[in-house]
Amino acid sequence: DQQVKQNSPSLSVQEGRISILNCDYTNSMFDYFLWYKKYPAEGPTFLISISSIKDKNEDGRFTVFLNKSAKHLSLHIVPSQPGDSAVYFCAASAKSQGAQKLVFGQGTRLTINP
Amino acid sequence: GAGVSQSPSNKVTEKGKDVELRCDPISGHTALYWYRQSLGQGLEFLIYFQGNSAPDKSGLPSDRFSAERTGESVSTLTIQRTQQEDSAVYLCASSFPLGGANIQYFGAGTRLSVL
Repeated sequence: DQQVKQNSPSLSVQEGRISILNCDYTNSMFDYFLWYKKYPAEGPTFLISISSIKDKNEDGRFTVFLNKSAKHLSLHIVPSQPGDSAVYFCAASAKSQGAQKLVFGQGTRLTINP
Repeated sequence: GAGVSQSPSNKVTEKGKDVELRCDPISGHTALYWYRQSLGQGLEFLIYFQGNSAPDKSGLPSDRFSAERTGESVSTLTIQRTQQEDSAVYLCASSFPLGGANIQYFGAGTRLSVL
């Protein structure tokens, strides 16, 4: 039962253009959504989050959009830079047994071409 | 150090042997999580600690897997009688739950290879 899905395993974008990474979820009880970025041989690093009561959150070049009716969120990176090349994980958070446990998607490998 | 530290970074073992993986969380973080990432997959939740107790062990795949945490700090994940399907990257994360998004901070992981 895959509660969080990233249907695109990879994405290639030209430097300077917009990168759009997508994520779908099934559990309407999720209260926060987070995006993490992962470089090879490193742990995931937190990028940006959004509460389920919001529809947009922006931080510099990164914006996350949430469409609750469609159970869909997306991460926009603009302009894309070579250093953005990494695997991006979408994660959803729900309180369970006292923990805000994260449920992760499978990840999307973003490649920014010069 | 300031971040989550995991050791060893790489572990190669023979099928049937026991392995122990260690996690040093960020100082002061009360919550500690173990995840596993198999090849081509997302991160799979294994177990959560709040302080030294583990209220959620629901992700542990079998009774060969166990974990403990002492002193509200270091945690060890033990896999007994390892199998080839245990090969994965094991990631530890910590957080200080204040409400909100509960951002978890991850270590670099231990890459376990079972031959």
